Amino acid sequence: AQSVTQLGSHVSVSEGALVLLRCNYSSSVPPYLFWYVQYPNQGLQLLLKYTTGATLVKGINGFEAEFKKSETSFHLTKPSAHMSDAAEYFCAVSDRNTGNQFYFGTGTSLTVIP
Amino acid sequence: DTGVSQNPRHKITKRGQNVTFRCDPISEHNRLYWYRQTLGQGPEFLTYFQNEAQLEKSRLLSDRFSAERPKGSFSTLEIQRTEQGDSAMYLCASSLQGIGTDTQYFGPGTRLTVL
Repeated sequence: AQSVTQLGSHVSVSEGALVLLRCNYSSSVPPYLFWYVQYPNQGLQLLLKYTTGATLVKGINGFEAEFKKSETSFHLTKPSAHMSDAAEYFCAVSDRNTGNQFYFGTGTSLTVIP
Repeated sequence: DTGVSQNPRHKITKRGQNVTFRCDPISEHNRLYWYRQTLGQGPEFLTYFQNEAQLEKSRLLSDRFSAERPKGSFSTLEIQRTEQGDSAMYLCASSLQGIGTDTQYFGPGTRLTVL
């Protein structure tokens, strides 16, 4: 089974500062990779995904992530944090053989300090 | 497209009672998934359907958990003889079958509290 590690369960950044949320996966075969955001009392919203092709993926709300096979990583970044970015962020993977079962990390709670 | 909806949004029950949750997927989506999310954790996959067929159910947490999708549209998740450890957020997601992996769209969840 796949596993996903999100380093840092809580990250705090100042408004306007760089956001970096880390995600590493365990599979030797690169899986499909996703980032979701969850606001309080809401479901998960897809930010971006990597399936194939260009390794730098751009998503909604100014977020982007880069797939690095050599590092088995898919870190999420945003150049300038906004107060509205405060939320829980989840990295998820799905196996290329099945493609259906998602495996989620434990999440990173992002706090933006004014 | 109104998104994935789940009802109820909140359910409080007493230990030992049965509960049933409903999920209505995005209308054209043929795949439907159930997840459980406990506090401080990411969603945990439980089961999924392709149309009315339940293609994976080995990860349902116990035989007290069951899910149905009788007509390939909405789905229900039932928990029998609830236990306090069942308290969690239950999430539903849907997707349109494609090549490779599907993008799953999530509903707002049903928060279950077992007293």
